[in-house]
Amino acid sequence: KQEVTQIPAALSVPEGENLVLNCSFTDSAIYNLQWFRQDPGKGLTSLLLIQSSQREQTSGRLNASLDKSSGRSTLYIAASQPGDSATYLCAVPSGTYKYIFGTGTRLKVLA
Amino acid sequence: EAGVTQFPSHSVIEKGQTVTLRCDPISGHDNLYWYRRVMGKEIKFLLHFVKESKQDESGMPNNRFLAERTGGTYSTLKVQPAELEDSGVYFCASSQWTSGSEQFFGPGTRLTVL
Repeated sequence: KQEVTQIPAALSVPEGENLVLNCSFTDSAIYNLQWFRQDPGKGLTSLLLIQSSQREQTSGRLNASLDKSSGRSTLYIAASQPGDSATYLCAVPSGTYKYIFGTGTRLKVLA
Repeated sequence: EAGVTQFPSHSVIEKGQTVTLRCDPISGHDNLYWYRRVMGKEIKFLLHFVKESKQDESGMPNNRFLAERTGGTYSTLKVQPAELEDSGVYFCASSQWTSGSEQFFGPGTRLTVL
């Protein structure tokens, strides 16, 4: 049974810091891994999708890596800004489509 | 291109009443999913449609929940009768393909059952 864990649960950093959010999963036979951002009271915004054959994906200041063999993914945020404050979620499919979500990391970037 | 839309954004009902949530997926996406997050828990899968067919409803909590996707376009999720533990945020997502495809989520419907 696939389980997804995200560490830390909450993080508070000063503006400008580079930071790393962690996601681990128990079953390495995954098709892909997707990182999301959720703002309070809002839906989920897709940040990055990494296919199982890829090791990393980049979008702007975000870089996500995937190590299937160790069951880990990291989301690296460079030069954090107050606008990055949100909850970050990772999800992996159980099978081909049934996403299993972690409980998220609540990020606060202080101005 | 319009994203996934959901209606209503909020719904407050009393225990025993009926509520119907609606989801409009991204145009052209055959795959539609329902998820929900109850207080303090992680987001969990409810069911999956491919066009108008239910492919997987293994996450539906009980028979008080009924999902439909008539014509393979928008979907509805009806809760009848609603119970207190049904309170939470119901998300809809859609994707172009089933395997390995990015899922795009709607803003969610916050359901409160009093």
